[in-house]
Amino acid sequence: IVMTQSPATLSVSPGDRATLSCRASQSVVSKLAWYQQKPGQAPRLLIFGASTRATGIPARFSGSGSGTEFALTISSLQSEDFAVYYCQQYNSWPRTFGQGTKVEIK
Amino acid sequence: EVQLVQSGAEVKKPGESLKISCKGSGYSFTAYWIAWVRQMPGKGLEWMGMIYPGDSDTRYSPSIQGQVTISADKSISTAYLQWSSLTASDTAMYYCARFSSGYYADYWGQGTLVTVSS
Repeated sequence: IVMTQSPATLSVSPGDRATLSCRASQSVVSKLAWYQQKPGQAPRLLIFGASTRATGIPARFSGSGSGTEFALTISSLQSEDFAVYYCQQYNSWPRTFGQGTKVEIK
Repeated sequence: EVQLVQSGAEVKKPGESLKISCKGSGYSFTAYWIAWVRQMPGKGLEWMGMIYPGDSDTRYSPSIQGQVTISADKSISTAYLQWSSLTASDTAMYYCARFSSGYYADYWGQGTLVTVSS
């Protein structure tokens, strides 16, 4: 399953809302996770099951969607949220990641 | 506390072999899949494969299969990623990650940087 994220780069001002998209080449039901990766760090799990926040993840992060279309929304961007975000499907083997969306400061 | 601690950075020449490791602690090592994820310089995440240490069931990405070997020694709670003959294109950061039920990565190692250069 090919995961396609858009846009490649999103320029956002602090405090603004950001919406990132992830599309699957075939249905993954709700078996989708989102990760955040900051420079020089390992990725961190944000969302699993398309919409369930992982432990310790702030409520400003929310996930939605099912089937082939998914979104990650950050309601009010904080300085620590500027990073690269990846989606990953786990409905079938092999597990696959999207190519990432970089959220940068506008 | 769940921890995955990876072996240190490696610098190798083309054609050499290499085995890097990932030691789990703070949880039942045999009850969770461990995956290896590649990140080439400036690029995204690529799932390479994973192993279930409880029974050594191993799955590979078709794009990776035959190029590496994933293994685990449950007696010492350690998973491995191995190459028999490295090439320059193997230069990357390699992360191990615990995959909850084999689905998504809830814990990650710190990464092992592998550099292959003549």
